[in-house]
Amino acid sequence: RKEVEQDPGPFNVPEGATVAFNCTYSNSASQSFFWYRQDCRKEPKLLMSVYSSGNEDGRFTAQLNRASQYISLLIRDSKLSDSATYLCVVTGANNLFFGTGTRLTVIP
Amino acid sequence: NAGVTQTPKFRVLKTGQSMTLLCAQDMNHEYMYWYRQDPGMGLRLIHYSVGEGTTAKGEVPDGYNVSRLKKQNFLLGLESAAPSQTSVYFCASSYSPRGLTDTQYFGPGTRLTVL
Repeated sequence: RKEVEQDPGPFNVPEGATVAFNCTYSNSASQSFFWYRQDCRKEPKLLMSVYSSGNEDGRFTAQLNRASQYISLLIRDSKLSDSATYLCVVTGANNLFFGTGTRLTVIP
Repeated sequence: NAGVTQTPKFRVLKTGQSMTLLCAQDMNHEYMYWYRQDPGMGLRLIHYSVGEGTTAKGEVPDGYNVSRLKKQNFLLGLESAAPSQTSVYFCASSYSPRGLTDTQYFGPGTRLTVL
């Protein structure tokens, strides 16, 4: 079983739509969680950290469910510029794992 | 600030050749990392360093060596390249008062092809 699993997509959504991605992890001792964004042929960049109480940054909302061992990312009012691959990251004291990424394409 | 830079950007090697990838950061970060990214596999941690003079193995360390002689530089070496090492290599760094659980800043990547 992989440490971190993501639905690879692709998700093709129209502008203005709401879209959600999930990421499951296997190690219940995992400590920190992140969402990174990666544009085609570019390096990953931090989108947001994921806190236990859930957190929001503009149109983006991240949630953590420790009991079911998954994190989620919700994007509201999708923009063309949101088209990218979204990577979840799960870390512990001595380990760090990236998901394979979920590809999102926002269509005009 | 340049952030994290990687040299070279592209490289083609023949099987059995050796090479070194250089990563440099100017943010005074303690932690540095080397990843490889392959289609369908995501980013996988090769080695990392928690400070000058120290290194540790990640998820896929075999076939690679690293050195961190200066805080700002982290070198990744391939002693005898194999086609299975064809990949995009990313370096990253983090300030990391909280260890591996801190935000990482990535370099632009090195595209390596081994024939």
